[in-house]
Amino acid sequence: QKEVEQDPGPLSVPEGAIVSLNCTYSNSAFQYFMWYRQYSRKGPELLMYTYSSGNKEDGRFTAQVDKSSKYISLFIRDSQPSDSATYLCASTGYSSASKIIFGSGTRLSIRP
Amino acid sequence: GAGVSQSPSNKVTEKGKDVELRCDPISGHTALYWYRQRLGQGLEFLIYFQGNSAPDKSGLPSDRFSAERTGESVSTLTIQRTQQEDSAVYLCASSSLQAAPRGQFFGPGTRLTVL
Repeated sequence: QKEVEQDPGPLSVPEGAIVSLNCTYSNSAFQYFMWYRQYSRKGPELLMYTYSSGNKEDGRFTAQVDKSSKYISLFIRDSQPSDSATYLCASTGYSSASKIIFGSGTRLSIRP
Repeated sequence: GAGVSQSPSNKVTEKGKDVELRCDPISGHTALYWYRQRLGQGLEFLIYFQGNSAPDKSGLPSDRFSAERTGESVSTLTIQRTQQEDSAVYLCASSSLQAAPRGQFFGPGTRLTVL
């Protein structure tokens, strides 16, 4: 079992829709949870992170972590064609020696 | 520079040749990571350098792969006797452990094609 599991998609939604992207993880030691966005032929860029359980909002993006169910979510409101990209979730432990483990990424397409 | 840089951006090589990939992290970032990303796949962890600590090499797929880092600066990833299955994008990332949560800044990657 991979430590971080993510549905690869692809996911296609119309412009303006609310998008929900999800991951599950298995390692109880994970404390930090990140979302990266990767455009085609580019390196991933950090979108948001949360520490432990809870929600974090940044503009149209909301990250949510439920440690009891080991579930990570990213919501995108009022989705735009420019949001079309691959979204990767990632998790790591508290220690600086902990590796950052990535999900396989979900390919998202926003239709104009 | 302002971000992580990698060179070359593209590398085409013949099976059996050795290749060396370079990563210049953001100045002051003590942590440096190498990942491999095959077409349409997620990031596969290869190796992690943190300051003067022994690197975490647990992700290196075989002894043909090795990496070095000089202090807290440049890193090189070497693949010896390349195989066709080594074809992938090799991504480097750096982060500052002083900045939670150790969010990584990625370079643009080196696209390796082994013929």
